[in-house]
Amino acid sequence: DSGVTQTPKHLITATGQRVTLRCSPRSGDLSVYWYQQSLDQGLQFLIQYYNGEERAKGNILERFSAQQFPDLHSELNLSSLELGDSALYFCASSVGENQETQYFGPGTRLLVL
Amino acid sequence: GENVEQHPSTLSVQEGDSAVIKCTYSDSASNYFPWYKQELGKRPQLIIDIRSNVGEKKDQRIAVTLNKTAKHFSLHITETQPEDSAVYFCAASMRQAGTALIFGKGTTLSVSS
Repeated sequence: DSGVTQTPKHLITATGQRVTLRCSPRSGDLSVYWYQQSLDQGLQFLIQYYNGEERAKGNILERFSAQQFPDLHSELNLSSLELGDSALYFCASSVGENQETQYFGPGTRLLVL
Repeated sequence: GENVEQHPSTLSVQEGDSAVIKCTYSDSASNYFPWYKQELGKRPQLIIDIRSNVGEKKDQRIAVTLNKTAKHFSLHITETQPEDSAVYFCAASMRQAGTALIFGKGTTLSVSS
């Protein structure tokens, strides 16, 4: 157990819908990262927050957004869902914001029908 | 853009043999290189990492080497065991602020007894 928690574990929804994925970092970690893992694209970095502020952005679609709250938990919002958004979404956390070891949560498996 | 190439995509070895996985990266500014092991349906777990000021690091049966000039790093597993069977991912830190990682496509290692 890495200490990073994610909810829900599984999510099944329909195209066009909106979902929210939640992540709680390890105690003491200030950075939260979101990654998408699909069979054809592998592990893709989406976005990083550090102490409530956006720090880095990857291949995140405009339909996706995220935020980190004062208690340091983070939410990833996915809207206007498409079939191709079906994937495993991982959250990871680290102590600092640069060159720090990242610990992954168990992931949320999203299935869009 | 920034890229990490990982080879081979699959690797089959006999128990007790060594396994080597190689990665190359494109961004000369990358200075943090972790390796993750992912079992089916589970989270990526950090197994070893190396920073750019170090050429080699070892932890029991696992070692990583880094050649910054060639932009190349490798994972070496000695005395492989069936429980080493998993997908292994290499990663490199991205140029932009933060600790976001670019991942290789993964290597599926199968160790047969």
